[in-house]
Amino acid sequence: EVQLLESGGVLVQPGGSLNISCAASGFTFRSYAMTWVRQTPGRGLEWVSGISSNGGRGHYADSVKGRFTISRDNSKDTLYLQMTSLRADDTALYYCAKGLYGRFDSWGRGTLVTVSS
Amino acid sequence: QSVLTQPPSASGTPGQRVTISCSGTSSNIGSNTVNWYQHLPGTAPKLLIYSNDQWPSGVPDRFSGTKSGTSASLAISGLQSEDEADYYCATWDDSLSGVVFGGGTKLTVL
Repeated sequence: EVQLLESGGVLVQPGGSLNISCAASGFTFRSYAMTWVRQTPGRGLEWVSGISSNGGRGHYADSVKGRFTISRDNSKDTLYLQMTSLRADDTALYYCAKGLYGRFDSWGRGTLVTVSS
Repeated sequence: QSVLTQPPSASGTPGQRVTISCSGTSSNIGSNTVNWYQHLPGTAPKLLIYSNDQWPSGVPDRFSGTKSGTSASLAISGLQSEDEADYYCATWDDSLSGVVFGGGTKLTVL
């Protein structure tokens, strides 16, 4: 059974930085592209970033480009999202999902990131 | 403002058939396949339909998807109370080089 477990979400001040991660199990992690999607309060799902299976290429939404960095460690079956210059509108539940081009066949339960002073 | 346009709400009674539309442009739906998700509050989103009209394992065939030009639709037949959820369409956008989601449609089973 595929399992994706996000962690690292906390309350952080505007302008701060935070790293969140996603531990994967139940599938051959190194063979699949992975993605971060967020859901903001009262709004829908928003794609944040995706990365190829070998970690060689990352894609970013314009809203996070230059501030967020996606990475992965295939030896640890773990996906990461490094977030800097955080803003109030980055407050969201961040989901890790398996897949890349819009087809995400497994999702985690999410980790909550709150940006507030 | 989402790149893909969905109606904010839809409703139906048990047993009815409802459809949810998703409208895009030539750079997203017009040139890529569409996927649909069901999301119940407090749970992980679930892939319902992929590649316009394909079912992942375990999804009942009461759910079906179609695509024509720059629009797509999700149909739910034999509506059940457990279908009450938010539904999202998603696809790749060649101009943005990223995934775009619809704004979501809240389905109410009356």
